[in-house]
Amino acid sequence: AQSVAQPEDQVNVAEGNPLTVKCTYSVSGNPYLFWYVQYPNRGLQFLLKYITGDNLVKGSYGFEAEFNKSQTSFHLKKPSALVSDSALYFCAVRDRGGGGADGLTFGKGTHLIIQP
Amino acid sequence: DTEVTQTPKHLVMGMTNKKSLKCEQHMGHRAMYWYKQKAKKPPELMFVYSYEKLSINESVPSRFSPECPNSSLLNLHLHALQPEDSALYLCASSRLGGLVETQYFGPGTRLLVL
Repeated sequence: AQSVAQPEDQVNVAEGNPLTVKCTYSVSGNPYLFWYVQYPNRGLQFLLKYITGDNLVKGSYGFEAEFNKSQTSFHLKKPSALVSDSALYFCAVRDRGGGGADGLTFGKGTHLIIQP
Repeated sequence: DTEVTQTPKHLVMGMTNKKSLKCEQHMGHRAMYWYKQKAKKPPELMFVYSYEKLSINESVPSRFSPECPNSSLLNLHLHALQPEDSALYLCASSRLGGLVETQYFGPGTRLLVL
């Protein structure tokens, strides 16, 4: 079964500093990986996804993620954190192979707290 | 526009009630999904519809009954729920046809079962 792990429950970063939220994956076949963000009492907002190609994926709101096959990781990054980035971040993997509709399996989530 | 709308925002129901959750999108997406998110937990897949047909049911109890009356609408009918069914219910939609399409989520319906 496909799975992702987010090893940190919480990450604290000072405003203006770079941030990293970690995600590792375990899949059979090609990994299709996603990052979503959830603000309190809100749904999930899509940030970016990796399907194939360049290992550095650029997404919304200045976020990017680095796919590393040898380390089976897909860490989310941003060069300069904003207080408004404070939220719950989920890494996710597509349940099955490509093509057709399929569900996502999410990591447990990481609370990102940006301190002014 | 990547908007998925869900109604109601909040719902309180007793264990003997029947209620329905509604999800709507006008992006032309032909795949729609229901997820359940318990407090402080990640979302978990419940159902997937492809071209208005149920394609995945993640062994969800029959007290949850999904319906996709047309390509824009997705309902979740609730009957005889238990207090442990209290959660945020998220709807999502995506295109079909590409290798890996992005799912866009609605804001959710927060359900409390008394």
